[in-house]
Amino acid sequence: DQQVKQNSPSLSVQEGRISILNCDYTNSMFDYFLWYKKYPAEGPTFLISISSIKDKNEDGRFTVFLNKSAKHLSLHIVPSQPGDSAVYFCAARRDSSYKLIFGSGTRLLVRP
Amino acid sequence: GAGVSQTPSNKVTEKGKYVELRCDPISGHTALYWYRQSLGQGPEFLIYFQGTGAADDSGLPNDRFFAVRPEGSVSTLKIQRTERGDSAVYLCASSQTGVGQPQHFGDGTRLSIL
Repeated sequence: DQQVKQNSPSLSVQEGRISILNCDYTNSMFDYFLWYKKYPAEGPTFLISISSIKDKNEDGRFTVFLNKSAKHLSLHIVPSQPGDSAVYFCAARRDSSYKLIFGSGTRLLVRP
Repeated sequence: GAGVSQTPSNKVTEKGKYVELRCDPISGHTALYWYRQSLGQGPEFLIYFQGTGAADDSGLPNDRFFAVRPEGSVSTLKIQRTERGDSAVYLCASSQTGVGQPQHFGDGTRLSIL
């Protein structure tokens, strides 16, 4: 029973365009969501997060949107750069627990 | 270094052997986590320490897995009687305590059981 789902295993976009990565969750008790980026042979690197009391959080080229009614969040990267090519993981946690529940990841390729 | 350090980076051993994986968290981080990542999957929670004590070990798959953090800093994940299904990347993360504190991951130990 996967509580956090990333249904697109891969995404390819042109440099300079917008990348949109999607994530769905099933547990309405989740109150904090994070995005991590992972390069090969490295650990996941924290990118951006959002609390359930917000619907948008922005940090430079990265914006995360949360739609609680749809149990859906998305990560927007604009403009996309070749260095953004990596696997992106969505993660969620409950307030009562510190453990993160991860999706299976989306591999982003930004073409020059 | 300033990040989470994990050793060894790679470990190959035979089925049935005992292994220890080490994690050195970011200085000052009181919370420490172990995750396991299999190919094509996201990290899967194993255990969480707050200080020296295991606050949540609900992710440990069975009693062959054990972790310690005796002085509230370095942690060791121990696996007894290893099985081929234990092959995975074992990730350690640390964070400051508090809501909204992100977990920072090390590069992991790639464990291969032959």
